[in-house]
Order: sequence, then structure tokens, then C-alpha cells
Amino acid sequence: DVKVTQSSRYLVKRTGEKVFLECVQDMDHENMFWYRQDPGLGLRLIYFSYDVKMKEKGDIPEGYSVSREKKERFSLILESASTNQTSMYLCASSLMKGGRGNQPQHFGDGTRLSIL
Amino acid sequence: AQKVTQAQTEISVVEKEDVTLDCVYETRDTTYYLFWYKQPPSGELVFLIRRNSFDEQNEISGRYSWNFQKSTSSFNFTITASQVVDSAVYFCALKRGSNYKLTFGKGTLLTVNP
Repeated sequence: DVKVTQSSRYLVKRTGEKVFLECVQDMDHENMFWYRQDPGLGLRLIYFSYDVKMKEKGDIPEGYSVSREKKERFSLILESASTNQTSMYLCASSLMKGGRGNQPQHFGDGTRLSIL
Repeated sequence: AQKVTQAQTEISVVEKEDVTLDCVYETRDTTYYLFWYKQPPSGELVFLIRRNSFDEQNEISGRYSWNFQKSTSSFNFTITASQVVDSAVYFCALKRGSNYKLTFGKGTLLTVNP
């Protein structure tokens, strides 16, 4: 079975802090994704990566950056956390080389991040 | 542009009732893929099923069944004899043939009461 592991289930940080959310997958998937989920807005894609050191902006990249130094690890960085970044963050991975095909995305358990 | 509409925001049923979750999609692509995910209260999105645009065959898996109709751009999900453990938010999602991204619907919260 695919396993996507997010480093924290719950995280509380303060405004202005630099925050790192870590995600690791164990299935040698090429693609990894970061979403945030908010009530009434559904899931929105922040960034994704289709290869090591490669990244693409999603629908809401502002205020975030990402890092993928190794194939299995994809980090989401909040450069200077703000209260409007309080949300549920979900990491996913998929085996879709070149974006083609019907391989599903597999998700981690999520990180509930609160910015005070 | 792609769009997925789950018109039912919340559904509440009593255990053993059958329930259908609706999903309507919009796309101009001829090759695309559809997915259903389940998100229980614990938070993880669990992949349930995928369907290719060129395969309109319906599928049944235990108490779950899916009805894909290209003529109405719908991919509906039915749970037969619902159980309390089916309580979750269910998401329908659409992927273009050669694109990485998934477009999700807003989700339907299903509550199954004992």
C-alpha cells in the first residue's frame, strides 16, 4: 500500500514565524502535491512537483514556497505565517509520469495548522 | 475550464437506507479521468474509484456502486444499505488526460445515523 506521511497532525505557530510542513512518500512516486482545505472552499492546490528540484505553482501559491531535494520528500514552507493561513494542509503523491494516465493521488492524514 | 459540481452539500440518512451522491463535471477534453475520494473525520482522503472517459461501464464494489454517464456528464456514487461507518465527506474529482492536476468538487457531507 502507498503510504504518505505528514510530519505533524496538529501544529500551532505564531504570526510571522517561518513554518515547515514535511511530507514523505514511500512508493517512489514522481509527483507530489500540497493542498489546503477550508470549509466551503474545498481543496485548493498550492504547489506541486513532478520531479526532484522541479516545482509548479498551483492555484493559490502566494505566501508559500516548496522544496523537493529528494524524490520521497516534499516540504511546504510558510515564509512568514499569517492568521489567514490557518487551515488543514494535505500532501499527496501520484505515479503519473508526464501527467498522463489515470493513476490516483494518494493522500496523507493532513496537518491542522493554527496560526495565532 | 474544468469544473466539478457536487450540488448536495450535506445529506443525512438513517442506517440501512440507500443514498446517492451526485457529481456533475464540465470539461472540453475528450480524454479525462474521474475519481471519488472519501474523507472520514480523521482527515485522510481515501481513494475509492477511478473511471476513464472512454469507459462508461458502471462498477459495483460491495455496497458501493458508481454510475458514469457521459451524455449527462455525471458520475454518481450510490451506497446501498448505508452504515454509520460510511459517515464522511465524499469528493468527486476530475483530471485532464495529460495534466497533473485534479479538480475537486466541494464535497458532500454524508451523515448516517443509527
